Amino acid sequence: GQNIDQPTEMTATEGAIVQINCTYQTSGFNGLFWYQQHAGEAPTFLSYNVLDGLEEKGRFSSFLSRSKGYSYLLLKELQMKDSASYLCAVRDWGNNRLAFGKGNQVVVIP
Amino acid sequence: DGGITQSPKYLFRKEGQNVTLSCEQNLNHDAMYWYRQDPGQGLRLIYYSQIVNDFQKGDIAEGYSVSREKKESFPLTVTSAQKNPTAFYLCASIGTVKNTEAFFGQGTRLTVV
Repeated sequence: GQNIDQPTEMTATEGAIVQINCTYQTSGFNGLFWYQQHAGEAPTFLSYNVLDGLEEKGRFSSFLSRSKGYSYLLLKELQMKDSASYLCAVRDWGNNRLAFGKGNQVVVIP
Repeated sequence: DGGITQSPKYLFRKEGQNVTLSCEQNLNHDAMYWYRQDPGQGLRLIYYSQIVNDFQKGDIAEGYSVSREKKESFPLTVTSAQKNPTAFYLCASIGTVKNTEAFFGQGTRLTVV
């Protein structure tokens, strides 16, 4: 099975950097996904990590440590439109089961 | 354009009726998923399918059923046995070869009255 833990809410100032953490336990790891979800909308894909290290995509970066069962999403140069919930999801090896954490709500203030 | 489509976007049903939510993708993805989201909550896995004619129960499968007769389609039926069916339902697909493709449909908001 899978167990995924994320902190629930954080507030940050426009232009700042925020780090969103995700810890997980799984019987067989086959990748970790990060999604952004605005209220009332479907999640949109941000990043995918399957090997240890940092993946950078513009203002967003995602890091993975498989030995620690840990990932973070780094949001740089925060903009008001980044106010959203950020979800991490872990996929199991073999059956491709994809389970989500509860999400972390980020509120960006001027 | 390739994508994943859910229909309808809003659905109203009377209590006790079964209802089927559509999910279609033209991305050639093998794996498809159904999730339920309640207000202020995360996504909970209902059912998922790795390949055609095969699917597995997720964490909250009771009161739901699915089929996977075609690679492109993974419909979800919300049965009358589901005690609290009002929720936002999301379908997703992931590429098996290109794992970086992991998309959601727009969602169906089901309200049972």
